[in-house]
Amino acid sequence: EVQLVESGGGLVQPGRSLRLSCAASGFTFGDYAMSWVRQAPGKGLEWVGFIRSKAYGGTTEYAASVKGRFTISRDDSKSIAYLQMNNLKTEDTAVYYCTRGSSSCPAFDIWGQGTMVTVSS
Amino acid sequence: DIVMTQSPDSLAVSLGERATINCKSSQSVLYSSNNKNYLAWYQQKPGQPPKLLIYWASTRESGVPDRFSGSGSGTDFTLTISNLQAEDVAVYYCQQYYTPPFTFGQGTRLEIK
Repeated sequence: EVQLVESGGGLVQPGRSLRLSCAASGFTFGDYAMSWVRQAPGKGLEWVGFIRSKAYGGTTEYAASVKGRFTISRDDSKSIAYLQMNNLKTEDTAVYYCTRGSSSCPAFDIWGQGTMVTVSS
Repeated sequence: DIVMTQSPDSLAVSLGERATINCKSSQSVLYSSNNKNYLAWYQQKPGQPPKLLIYWASTRESGVPDRFSGSGSGTDFTLTISNLQAEDVAVYYCQQYYTPPFTFGQGTRLEIK
C-alpha cells in the first residue's frame, strides 16, 4: 500500500525548533518530489515547500512565509523526508501534511494524515 | 507568485443537481511546450487530508467517480460535480503546479441544499 506517515508534531514555544518526518512506503521514494503543505485551524491549504528528486537535482523551493526558517531534506535510503522548522512563530501553528508529486504527474496524488504543530508560549 | 481565486466561497446544491466551482489564476498555467494546464483539483472532507480529484485540469484521478469533471485552459478553470451525492459535501481547492510556490485557491465549501 502506498503510504505517507508524518510524525514529530507537538507543542513548542515561539522561537524554538522542531523537525517533522515523513516516512514513505509502497513506492520508489527516490523517484518523487516531496512537498509539505500546511493548514492552520479552520483555514485553507498553504504550500510550504518541496524537494525535487535526485534526478532533478534534489533542490528545494519554499514559500516566502517560511523561507530562511524552514529546511526540507530527504534520505532516499530510508524513504524519509524531513521538515526542519526553526525560529517558529505562532502563525506556524497548523496541521502539516507531506505529499508527493512526480515528473509525469506533478499534482499531489498521495497525502499523509498530517501532524499537528502548535506554537504557543 | 501566481494567485488562485476560487468562486464562489460556498454553495449549496440539491441532491442530484449539478455543482460548479470556478478557479481563476493570475497568470496562465498552460505550458506551451506540452500544451498541458498545470492545474489540479482536490477534495477535503472534515478531519481528512485532501484528496486529488483532477490533474492536468481535466484528467480524473484513478477511482474518482465520473460525475467529477474538470475543464478550462490558460487562466480559467471549472470543476463540475454532476448528480450531487451526499458524500460530496466537502471543501474543494484548486492548485497550480506550473511554478513554485505551488499556490492553492482559498477553497469552496459545498453543502447540500
